[in-house]
Amino acid sequence: ELKVEQNPLFLSMQEGKNYTIYCNYSTTSDRLYWYRQDPGKSLESLFVLLSNGAVKQEGRLMASLDTKARLSTLHITAAVHDLSATYFCAAGGGADGLTFGKGTHLIIQP
Amino acid sequence: NAGVMQNPRHLVRRRGQEARLRCSPMKGHSHVYWYRQLPEEGLKFMVYLQKENIIDESGMPKERFSAEFPKEGPSILRIQQVVRGDSAAYFCASTFGTANNEQFFGPGTRLTVL
Repeated sequence: ELKVEQNPLFLSMQEGKNYTIYCNYSTTSDRLYWYRQDPGKSLESLFVLLSNGAVKQEGRLMASLDTKARLSTLHITAAVHDLSATYFCAAGGGADGLTFGKGTHLIIQP
Repeated sequence: NAGVMQNPRHLVRRRGQEARLRCSPMKGHSHVYWYRQLPEEGLKFMVYLQKENIIDESGMPKERFSAEFPKEGPSILRIQQVVRGDSAAYFCASTFGTANNEQFFGPGTRLTVL
């Protein structure tokens, strides 16, 4: 059974700082997803990582995938308040759907 | 190109009533997933459907819950005799082609059981 663990689950940081969210998964997965969710809203797709060593960047967010370590990271550079949200990683996606982590609640304070 | 549509967006039911949640996939998508999100939790897979077929329902409770995706019309998640523990956000996602394609999520239906 695929399990996905994120850490930290809660993160409060100041604007301008850098930080990394970690996502470990328990069994082989073809791909790894990162989503953003604002309170009361749906999931916004951020990144789809398809292969070992994949790195993708969008603005202040950068995601990477190490399939050998079964680890993905989401790095935030020079955080701004607008990035406050809950971030989920998810793996799998076959017939039994995606398996999500519990999410990282990120609060960025001015 | 409209995205995944869900309705209603908010649904309030009393214990024992039935809840019907609808999901219209993106144009051209013929695969639908349903997920449930409890407060402060990640999404949990419930069921995966193609048109007129349930492919995998391993995440769906055995009683009171059912899902369908008819040849015409939206996919429907039905919860009979709702209980307070059914209160959650229910999201559907659609994909094109095989199950391994990227899933696009709808806005969700927030069910509150009084």
